[in-house]
Amino acid sequence: EIVLTQSPGTLSLSPGERAPLSCRASQRVSGNFLAWYQQKPGQAPRLLIYGASSRATGIPDRFSGSGFGTDFTLTISRLEPEDFAVYYCQQYDSSPWTFGQGTKVEMK
Amino acid sequence: EVQLVESGGGLVQPGRSLRLSCAASGFIFDDYAMHWVRQAPGKGLEWVSGISWNSGGIEYADSVKGRFTISRDNAKKSLYLQMNSLRAEDTALYYCAKDITAAGSFAYFDYWGQGALVTVSS
Repeated sequence: EIVLTQSPGTLSLSPGERAPLSCRASQRVSGNFLAWYQQKPGQAPRLLIYGASSRATGIPDRFSGSGFGTDFTLTISRLEPEDFAVYYCQQYDSSPWTFGQGTKVEMK
Repeated sequence: EVQLVESGGGLVQPGRSLRLSCAASGFIFDDYAMHWVRQAPGKGLEWVSGISWNSGGIEYADSVKGRFTISRDNAKKSLYLQMNSLRAEDTALYYCAKDITAAGSFAYFDYWGQGALVTVSS
């Protein structure tokens, strides 16, 4: 099983700041089969990024994904008020499909 | 517009059974694999099970293998999760999620329902 470890657990930032979120895999994720989701309180997760770096339909370009192998990053270039939420990475390289434990981006 | 609506959640005693349903609309249901993903209160996301478009490919998380059964009825555009021998640790919000692929090589989830809450307690 591929274990995904996200860091930091919580990121305290102000609107307009840059937010780098890390996702590290316990083994290589082949094909860059890694996705990122955003979840706000009381809502279902929303797909942001797939294939490590491709934005899903309708996702603003302030969200970008990068990385390969075992180290991946989601970057929010300039935080908007609606971006404060929890973010999860997910690998779809091999079963079982696993998620990271999440990074909470909170307003400072 | 893609819609996934879960139903069937509730309070159930340990050891009992429950069946969740997910009604899909807004896309060609039998063109896509489907999944169940759960989230315990205040916790992260855990993939539970996935099923290919024709039910030929099915996978389970180890935590539910042998107790849960995923199925689908393409004519009714519905996904199901039969949960037997429920435990307290199965308490969670269960999401129905649409895969972007059809076949057994599952991928990521582009649409999610709002979830059905299952509480296992005596």
